[in-house]
Amino acid sequence: DVKVTQSSRYLVKRTGEKVFLECVQDMDHENMFWYRQDPGLGLRLIYFSYDVKMKEKGDIPEGYSVSREKKERFSLILESASTNQTSMYLCASSFRQSSEQYFGPGTRLTVT
Amino acid sequence: GNSVTQMEGPVTLSEEAFLTINCTYTATGYPSLFWYVQYPGEGLQLLLKATKADDKGSNKGFEATYRKETTSFHLEKGSVQVSDSAVYFCALRRNQGGKLIFGQGTELSVKP
Repeated sequence: DVKVTQSSRYLVKRTGEKVFLECVQDMDHENMFWYRQDPGLGLRLIYFSYDVKMKEKGDIPEGYSVSREKKERFSLILESASTNQTSMYLCASSFRQSSEQYFGPGTRLTVT
Repeated sequence: GNSVTQMEGPVTLSEEAFLTINCTYTATGYPSLFWYVQYPGEGLQLLLKATKADDKGSNKGFEATYRKETTSFHLEKGSVQVSDSAVYFCALRRNQGGKLIFGQGTELSVKP
């Protein structure tokens, strides 16, 4: 069965902290994605990666960075968390860029 | 640019009622269209898709038809169940790459 896991379901961090969100997929997928989900705005793409060590900016990359050192793992990094980064973060993966994306359960991050 | 607009929620229906969730899009070229569903506490799952004009996607009793003339992809179900309570997202995929553009989501609540 297809599986995308995220390291935490809930996370509370303070303003200015460095935050790591981890995503792991067990399907040998080439492509991985990070989205944030906000009420009334749907999902917006932050970054995606189509291969190990490769990354591309999505629609809202400001304030975020990513790391993909291994094929199965894609990390989202908030260098200095701010309150406007309080959100639900969803990771997804797909075999090809045109294939169905499989989503993890999400991490609800609160920055105080 | 490319965008997706969904009807606002929440939508509240009684069990066995007919469901329509409207979705319209703006896109260059010929996008593929999707409906995703997010059950409480879970990530998104692909519900159905259509890749060209007049295609009908269907799954679990839900249907949507790709209407290029009206740039719409409305989701319908003849008889909803309590277990259909979820948030529904309409999305399009641009011609290039696997990047998805999501609508804002419509929350559906079905009462017994």
